[in-house]
Amino acid sequence: AQSVTQPDIHITVSEGASLELRCNYSYGATPYLFWYVQSPGQGLQLLLKYFSGDTLVQGIKGFEAEFKRSQSSFNLRKPSVHWSDAAEYFCAVGINRDDKIIFGKGTRLHILP
Amino acid sequence: EPEVTQTPSHQVTQMGQEVILRCVPISNHLYFYWYRQILGQKVEFLVSFYNNEISEKSEIFDDQFSVERPDGSNFTLKIRSTKLEDSAMYFCASSEELAGVGEQFFGPGTRLTVL
Repeated sequence: AQSVTQPDIHITVSEGASLELRCNYSYGATPYLFWYVQSPGQGLQLLLKYFSGDTLVQGIKGFEAEFKRSQSSFNLRKPSVHWSDAAEYFCAVGINRDDKIIFGKGTRLHILP
Repeated sequence: EPEVTQTPSHQVTQMGQEVILRCVPISNHLYFYWYRQILGQKVEFLVSFYNNEISEKSEIFDDQFSVERPDGSNFTLKIRSTKLEDSAMYFCASSEELAGVGEQFFGPGTRLTVL
């Protein structure tokens, strides 16, 4: 069965530091990959998505993610975090022909001033 | 910017009671979804809805659950007889295209607490 693993439940970084959130998926073919962010009291907002083509994907708010087929990974990165980036981040997989997306458990990002 | 809205933001109910969670999807979207997130767990797919019928549902979506698009704008999730384990955040989403192709837009969620 398809699955998404986010190995880090919590991550704390200092403001201005770089960030990498890890995501691994399990699926036989190339999936559609997403990163969503959820701020407190808010819904899920799409940061970026990968469907095909260039494996380095640029998203909103300065985020990027790289699809690595050999590692079944889709890690999210940002070169310099801002205090407003504190939120929960969800990696998700969309399965072609299936009418749903599968989420990881999420990583909560804390920012130190 | 168009957005998905959900009401209420928080619903408290007694075990065994019926609840209806409401969603207003983005107006030109064709595909509608419900997901839930039990506290501390991942977001789980419940059901998708297209062309006035369920297109896919998960094993969580048993006979106690139903969905409806009663008036062309609202999309509702009904739980007939709530259980304690139904306590969760419920998210509605909509998209123009299938999940594997298009982006799903999520609402802010309804927190359901079953006592």
